[in-house]
Amino acid sequence: AQSVAQPEDQVNVAEGNPLTVKCTYSVSGNPYLFWYVQYPNRGLQFLLKYITGDNLVKGSYGFEAEFNKSQTSFHLKKPSALVSDSALYFCAVRSEGSYNQGGKLIFGQGTELSVKP
Amino acid sequence: NAGVTQTPKFRVLKTGQSMTLLCAQDMNHEYMYWYRQDPGMGLRLIHYSVGEGTTAKGEVPDGYNVSRLKKQNFLLGLESAAPSQTSVYFCASSYGQARGQPQHFGDGTRLSIL
Repeated sequence: AQSVAQPEDQVNVAEGNPLTVKCTYSVSGNPYLFWYVQYPNRGLQFLLKYITGDNLVKGSYGFEAEFNKSQTSFHLKKPSALVSDSALYFCAVRSEGSYNQGGKLIFGQGTELSVKP
Repeated sequence: NAGVTQTPKFRVLKTGQSMTLLCAQDMNHEYMYWYRQDPGMGLRLIHYSVGEGTTAKGEVPDGYNVSRLKKQNFLLGLESAAPSQTSVYFCASSYGQARGQPQHFGDGTRLSIL
């Protein structure tokens, strides 16, 4: 069965410091991996994805994520955090072969990122 | 460019009442999805559709029905609301089978069942 784990419910970072939000996954076949961000009272916004190729993918707002196949991880990173990055972050996965199931995504439970001035 | 629009944004129901949540997308997407979001549980898929006139069950379909009569609209129905259905409901859409296409989300409907 496919699954996603975000081991930290909350991550606290000082503004200007690097941040990491962790994600591990389990899927049969090749994974398609996604990060989304959710601001209060809003829907999820797409940040970045890994499909194939370079293990380091870059996305919106200066975020990047590193795909590690051996560790089945897809951690979200940013070199210098901003207060405005404070939000709820979701990792999601689907398998390469899931297109005949509507391309369904499996979401992690979310990690609350708090960036303090 | 509206993207994915959900109506209503808020609703309070009494146990046993029925209602329909509407999702509309203007991106000509083939696939549409209904999720519910509960604290500490991420998003869970209720039902989805891979095209006009088709629907399928997701992870937590019990107590819900859906219809996709038009490509741009995806309706979620609660026939007899229960307090356990108090949640935030999100609609999403995406292109069809193209690899790795992200889902685009609406801003949600906050539903309380008393």
